[in-house]
Amino acid sequence: DAKTTQPNSMESNEEEPVHLPCNHSTISGTDYIHWYRQLPSQGPEYVIHGLTSNVNNRMASLAIAEDRKSSTLILHRATLRDAAVYYCILREEYGGSQGNLIFGKGTKLSVKP
Amino acid sequence: GAGVSQSPSNKVTEKGKDVELRCDPISGHTALYWYRQSLGQGLEFLIYFQGNSAPDKSGLPSDRFSAERTGGSVSTLTIQRTQQEDSAVYLCASSLINSGRTNTEAFFGQGTRLTVV
Repeated sequence: DAKTTQPNSMESNEEEPVHLPCNHSTISGTDYIHWYRQLPSQGPEYVIHGLTSNVNNRMASLAIAEDRKSSTLILHRATLRDAAVYYCILREEYGGSQGNLIFGKGTKLSVKP
Repeated sequence: GAGVSQSPSNKVTEKGKDVELRCDPISGHTALYWYRQSLGQGLEFLIYFQGNSAPDKSGLPSDRFSAERTGGSVSTLTIQRTQQEDSAVYLCASSLINSGRTNTEAFFGQGTRLTVV
């Protein structure tokens, strides 16, 4: 899997938007950008993924740079429950036996009331 | 079941004993992943099963660790001669592979907390 770079930690205020950046300068054309998050004392959960176009779902939005070398996960209104470690991961679409899911260190998001 | 199920949820074992951790993936999911997470650390990949392909064992830390997946469903992670450094939460995940697309959402279990004393 290609490498991603994320800030170690970020802080946000409750009910404000949060922009979590991810750099992936060595991304290949068949790599999708996935985001997972891990709430305290829980297993990771899927957030969103995309290829080239921006994506929206009930949890978040994903903004992908035109050159695909970076992306930003957007939480529109942070809540205390959004405090978690957020992981940005690249995965090949048809990875076959190589289609593993490898986590980096992620960004620890703190949300202040 | 509704999600990925792992058992036991907690396991305390004596140093040198063998342990088996079980993972029941979501029915129909052909990909299964094992990770471990030490206190305050990130997820360390252990092993990945995908359909009938040979598993990716590149993350197993030593030959004391092994895993099986029987009938393409339930998986067992075995740790032989446990050491204190094996203490961690062991997480299992599964995902659906459709038409060879591995690029699908993975669902995680709640993990097994292993303590070696």
